[in-house]
Amino acid sequence: EIVLTQSPGTLSLSQGERATLSCRASQNIGNSYLAWHQQKPGQAPRLLISGASNRATGIPDRFSGSGSGTDFTLTISGLEPEDSAVYYCQQYSSSRWTFGQGTKVEIK
Amino acid sequence: EVQLVESGGGLVQPGGSLRVSCAASGFTFSSYWMHWVRQAPGKGLVWVSRIKNDGSGADYADSVKGRFTISRDNSKNVLYLQMNSLRAEDTAVYYCAREASNSWYIDSWGQGTLVTVSS
Repeated sequence: EIVLTQSPGTLSLSQGERATLSCRASQNIGNSYLAWHQQKPGQAPRLLISGASNRATGIPDRFSGSGSGTDFTLTISGLEPEDSAVYYCQQYSSSRWTFGQGTKVEIK
Repeated sequence: EVQLVESGGGLVQPGGSLRVSCAASGFTFSSYWMHWVRQAPGKGLVWVSRIKNDGSGADYADSVKGRFTISRDNSKNVLYLQMNSLRAEDTAVYYCAREASNSWYIDSWGQGTLVTVSS
């Protein structure tokens, strides 16, 4: 089973700063089978990015994804207060879907 | 607008059974593969199961294989998860989720239903 490891565990930044979140896979997953989801406190998750870099419908362009193989990045350019949330990466391989443990983004 | 509404959660004793449901609307349910994902209190997301659009095949996480059964009724637009031999570690919010068409990733989520396994 492919394991996704996210870092850092918590990111505390000020409004307007850039957030860089990392997701590392234990095996090569190409660049098609990686997605990012956002979960705000008390809410269901929401899809942000699919195929490593494709923003979902309605997602602001301050969110961007990149990477391939085993190393992937979610960047939030210009943090807004509403971006305070936990962010999860997700992958698919061999009829198994796994999530990373999440990165919590706090706005100072 | 895609809507996924879970129901059926509650308190159940260890070793007991429970069935949770997910009512889907706003899209052609029979065209989409569907998932269950769970989240223990204060923890991260864990994939549980997936079923093909016509119900002809399903996949399960190792932790629930042989105990949980995913199914669907396309005539009623409802997804189910039958959970047997429940354990304390199955305590979680269970989310129903839709898989993107002709793809693999989850593109829509329900609000979840809480299942608590405790004596």
